[in-house]
Amino acid sequence: EDQVTQSPEALRLQEGESSSLNCSYTVSGLRGLFWYRQDPGKGPEFLFTLYSAGEEKEKERLKATLTKKESFLHITAPKPEDSATYLCAVNRYYAGNMLTFGGGTRLMVKP
Amino acid sequence: SQTIHQWPATLVQPVGSPLSLECTVEGTSNPNLYWYRQAAGRGLQLLFYSVGIGQISSEVPQNLSASRPQDRQFILSSKKLLLSDSGFYLCAWSRPHYQELNSPLHFGNGTRLTVT
Repeated sequence: EDQVTQSPEALRLQEGESSSLNCSYTVSGLRGLFWYRQDPGKGPEFLFTLYSAGEEKEKERLKATLTKKESFLHITAPKPEDSATYLCAVNRYYAGNMLTFGGGTRLMVKP
Repeated sequence: SQTIHQWPATLVQPVGSPLSLECTVEGTSNPNLYWYRQAAGRGLQLLFYSVGIGQISSEVPQNLSASRPQDRQFILSSKKLLLSDSGFYLCAWSRPHYQELNSPLHFGNGTRLTVT
């Protein structure tokens, strides 16, 4: 059974204080790992897809990396508007485009 | 561009009442469609997915059902709601895997359902 575990569950940062969120996964035949951002009361918004170990993707202050067992979402010099819940999800071979999600990390950035 | 609409945004229903949540997608054809539920402070649980009209797969046995009467319309229903059905319901679409491997899911803004 596919498993996705995110840590920490919640993270408080000061504006400008860089940090990383972790997503550990167990899946037989990873086809893709996805990161989403979810604001309160809204649906998740797609950020990145990573396909293979060593791959990196960047978007503004966010950089996602992938190893064979985990993915990291690095946040450089965060701003209050980066406050949200960040979700990680995996897709495996022979599962169509269905995703298994982790529990998310709630990020709070204080000015 | 593609858009996804869900309604209503919020709903308060008594135990034992019926439920109908609707989702429509615009700007794409033959999408895969999904219903997820998100409990407070928890991850997303896949409830149903559909690869075509009338084709529904259930991931979790429960008193909910789904239907896809048109290519871009997905409906979540219940005949009698339970207290445990409260939650945040999200509809999503993706391109079918024969069009795009690893197509990301794109979500609507959800329906907050409270069963009282």
